[in-house]
Order: sequence, then C-alpha cells, then structure tokens
Amino acid sequence: DAGVIQSPRHEVTEMGQEVTLRCKPISGHDYLFWYRQTMMRGLELLIYFNNNVPIDDSGMPEDRFSAKMPNASFSTLKIQPSEPRDSAVYFCASSPGTKNYGYTFGSGTRLTVV
Amino acid sequence: AQSVAQPEDQVNVAEGNPLTVKCTYSVSGNPYLFWYVQYPNRGLQFLLKYITGDNLVKGSYGFEAEFNKSQTSFHLKKPSALVSDSALYFCAVRRSGNQFYFGTGTSLTVIP
Repeated sequence: DAGVIQSPRHEVTEMGQEVTLRCKPISGHDYLFWYRQTMMRGLELLIYFNNNVPIDDSGMPEDRFSAKMPNASFSTLKIQPSEPRDSAVYFCASSPGTKNYGYTFGSGTRLTVV
Repeated sequence: AQSVAQPEDQVNVAEGNPLTVKCTYSVSGNPYLFWYVQYPNRGLQFLLKYITGDNLVKGSYGFEAEFNKSQTSFHLKKPSALVSDSALYFCAVRRSGNQFYFGTGTSLTVIP
C-alpha cells in the first residue's frame, strides 16, 4: 500500500483565493482525519469522518473551512476565502475502526497564504 | 477530560547516552497510549503503543516506553541515542469515538 497520499505537497496562494487540499486514505480504513499543525497551536484536529460520514467537525475554525468525503478513497479540505492566518501544514490521517490501531499520516500539505 | 501532557518542549542528549521523553496522561478507564515521531517536513510516524499487557512496550528504531499506572506516565526511552533520532515526538491517547488527543510535542536533539 502506498500509504495516505496527500496533494499538493506545497501550496502558495494569495489571500482571498480558494484552496483545495486532497487526501487518499489507505484502502480499508474506516476513519479519516484532517489535522492542522502550526508552531503556535501544535496539532489541531479539524474534522473526522467514519465511513465517509462527518462525525465531528467542531475543530473547523470557521465557515471558510469545509471538508467532504464523497467516497471511501477520497477526501477534500477546502478553504474559501483563504487568509494569511490559515498558513500551516495540513495533515490527513486514516485508521481502521478498532482502537488497537494508530493513525497513518500523510506527508502533509504546506499551505502558505500571502 | 482525557488528555496527555508532555512537560518538556525540548530535550537535549549526547549521542550514545540514554534518552527519555516524558508523557503523563489523564484518562478515565483503560488508556490506549501511543508515541509518534515526526521528522522535518514529514508526517507523523507510529513508534509504539500500549493497549494492555506488559508495562514495557518495545517499538520501532530501538525505542521503548514504560506504562506506569500509579504515576499515570508513559515515558519514551532509548538506551543509546543516535543523531538520527533528532525529531519531534508526540505522545497521544485514544479517546472515545476513535479520536486521538495529541500532546504538544517534545523536540529531541541528539548532540554528536
């Protein structure tokens, strides 16, 4: 398995533009998570899905952020409009449905909003 | 609330010396505890976990962790540090609903 695949690896965009981050989880994993990592706030859970259904989106900062999982092999995190304070590394992770297993993280997308 | 705490932001150790990265937890019921490592410009990688059984858990790259119920700790250890162990280390606890709560991370620097 190629692991959790995220694209793009790096994204630089201007303030006000729409940004879409993509994630392909490991096949067979029931759970998918989106995290944001910054120096100031560390790792923050934004939202997670179980069997493609959003379970908890309480970590999504504001309405500018939205996430979808149209099928078991694909998820997107969209920011519209983007702001400089959204600059961070965004990680996607997936996991099987049992507590014995940890997460497998993607390599992340480094977002810079100028 | 279920959480973990990593009291040290930064740990420095000389190459070849033993290393310890500390983690304490606050969990109701039986804890599911994990350690992850993050190398620069990479995602987090699983190191080891404690679910049940022996208190000493062995993981990847020669790391181990000791679960101590009385002290509510789950410290990460390695007998002899390598320069390549320099990275960011996260302790995590598995919460209800399959969520993880991650600690704030400890930056480990191994000095040649």
